[in-house]
Amino acid sequence: GAVVSQHPSRVICKSGTSVKIECRSLDFQATTMFWYRQFPKQSLMLMATSNEGSKATYEQGVEKDKFLINHASLTLSTLTVTSAHPEDSSFYICSARDVRTGTGEQYFGPGTRLTVT
Amino acid sequence: AQTVTQSQPEMSVQEAETVTLSCTYDTSESDYYLFWYKQPPSRQMILVIRQEAYKQQNATENRFSVNFQKAAKSFSLKISDSQLGDAAMYFCAYRSARFGNEKLTFGTGTRLTIIP
Repeated sequence: GAVVSQHPSRVICKSGTSVKIECRSLDFQATTMFWYRQFPKQSLMLMATSNEGSKATYEQGVEKDKFLINHASLTLSTLTVTSAHPEDSSFYICSARDVRTGTGEQYFGPGTRLTVT
Repeated sequence: AQTVTQSQPEMSVQEAETVTLSCTYDTSESDYYLFWYKQPPSRQMILVIRQEAYKQQNATENRFSVNFQKAAKSFSLKISDSQLGDAAMYFCAYRSARFGNEKLTFGTGTRLTIIP
């Protein structure tokens, strides 16, 4: 089956520093990956759509200069939270679209818990 | 813009019984996909079931089935013979079938508790 990994699973960083989260499709190529944010006991909110070889498309209200997305290959997208602040603490989840399926199924990574101190 | 509404923040069911989770959505599109995802305490999102809007037949996956009412824009999930492992947050989600617009719109979720 389609597997998506995320690294790291947990990260703690100091306020003002940057942190990079990786999302990999392990057994399929993903031209499109999605980044979500999930606050405790809330739903997933789409932050941006990442397309291989082109700029990401950000949802309204998401600061593109703060949340840098790079989709440099068909199996890897990265999310960099720049100058992190405590309010950026959240659970970040990526998903990858499997183009092999007619429905373009999305498969989710296990998530990354970011804590900014 | 599409919206997805789950009106039941929490549900509980006795083990081995049947439970139905509700979902309604709003869209002006005629072709789309609907999904139910499960998020257990591990936070890993797991696809439970998928429904293509152009199909009249309700999707089923073992103990999971849906009641898809396109005209009413309703998409409920029925879990039969509930098991302890079914305890999780359940999210209903919508995705357009239009090429290039493949993002998922999620409902607010329903927390399902299984009573032993």
